[in-house]
Amino acid sequence: QVQLVESGGGVVQPGGSLRLSCAASGFMFSSYGMHWVRQAPGKGLEWVAFLRYDGSNKFYADSVKDRFTISRDNFKNTLFLQMNSLRAEDTAIYYCANVEGNYFDSSATYLEYFQHWGQGTLVTVSS
Amino acid sequence: SSELTQDPDVSVALGQTVRITCQGDRLRSYYASWYQVKPGQAPICVMYGKKNRPSGIPDRISGSTSGDTASLTITGAQAEDEADYYCCSRDSSGTRVVFGGGTKVTVL
Repeated sequence: QVQLVESGGGVVQPGGSLRLSCAASGFMFSSYGMHWVRQAPGKGLEWVAFLRYDGSNKFYADSVKDRFTISRDNFKNTLFLQMNSLRAEDTAIYYCANVEGNYFDSSATYLEYFQHWGQGTLVTVSS
Repeated sequence: SSELTQDPDVSVALGQTVRITCQGDRLRSYYASWYQVKPGQAPICVMYGKKNRPSGIPDRISGSTSGDTASLTITGAQAEDEADYYCCSRDSSGTRVVFGGGTKVTVL
């Protein structure tokens, strides 16, 4: 069955770095765009970053742009998130998810959704 | 503030019907998808597209869209439907994903 397993979270001081990993299995990882989404304690879901299936296109939320880098290794079926210059407000559970759909339907409306999610890894930024 | 607007809280009596709405201009061009989040659990998709329900999601959960508003309806709400529900779509640029602020559904 499909599995997404995040790892690499932990406690880090402000200004520090962490690298998250998301190991995928049970589906053709190299054919899917992948996202990172986070949820801060007591807050809502926040989209973080997207990487196209072949690594050719990537987008970031303004809150993490120029500090976080999304990448992937399609041979190892693994997604990464390099997080630098971490701030207290980056404290959250980080989830990886694959995106399905990605097409315009007969009414010219774009359809996509996060099909599978990992269980998340907790990142705590604190001194 | 989010580009997708949701009511923060709704309550529904056990067995009754509740509708959650999500409003945003980009919903005219990009379908919303909906995610259920329970405490301590990862999100799961409960609706996407015009009215597509992933396998395993009960048919008491349905979706619709009209103009700039997407709706998620739970018909005959059960205790296990108590959760936070988030809509998701694209931002004004169309290149980034955005979530609504979430709606906490309480089943009384």
